[in-house]
Amino acid sequence: EVQLVESGGGLVQPGGSLRLSCAASGFTLSDHYMDWVRQAPGKGLEWVGRTRNKGNSYTTEYAASVKGRFTISRNDSKNSLYLQMNNLKTEDTAVYYCARSRGRGGSYFDYWGQGTLVTVSS
Amino acid sequence: QSALTQPASVSGSPGQSITISCTGTSSDVGGYNYVSWYQQYPGKAPKLMIYEVSNRPSGVSNRFSGSKSGNTASLTISGLQAEDEADYYCSSYTSSTTLVFGGGTKLTVL
Repeated sequence: EVQLVESGGGLVQPGGSLRLSCAASGFTLSDHYMDWVRQAPGKGLEWVGRTRNKGNSYTTEYAASVKGRFTISRNDSKNSLYLQMNNLKTEDTAVYYCARSRGRGGSYFDYWGQGTLVTVSS
Repeated sequence: QSALTQPASVSGSPGQSITISCTGTSSDVGGYNYVSWYQQYPGKAPKLMIYEVSNRPSGVSNRFSGSKSGNTASLTISGLQAEDEADYYCSSYTSSTTLVFGGGTKLTVL
């Protein structure tokens, strides 16, 4: 059974940093693109970024709103995905989901974690 | 990359059919057959309902169907049931090799 479990969320001050983790099980992580998607309270889904699979050299992409501040990494041997968030802003407050991508170009998400809440506030 | 455009809300009575639209540009919805749809209940993670415009994952009811014409994709739910009341989001692959979501549509079953 495929499972994704996020952790690491919490309260952080503006300008601070936080590292989220996503523990994957039930599939071979290195075969898949993996993405982060966030949802601000009461708002819609926003794609944050992705790391491609081993066959695509683990390259990454980011949304313009987080580029230069967020870094996605992975450790396939530990079946884990990470999101390093630096210089956090109040508008980064959201539930952060990790999701497994499928399809050509990783165009859809077939499994999602339960999410972890990040609150950026002074 | 601007969010795809969805109606904020739609409603229908049990047994009826409803359609939710998702409008983008030739750089996303219109340029690729890579539109997907997600259902989300309050406080829960999204669930994949349709992928690559019109494909249903195993386990998703055949009351859900997807289509696309030009820069607009659509999700149709037939035989509306109370359990269909949820938020629905479309998503598309883009020419920038990124992904973009729609703003979401709240479906109310009257």
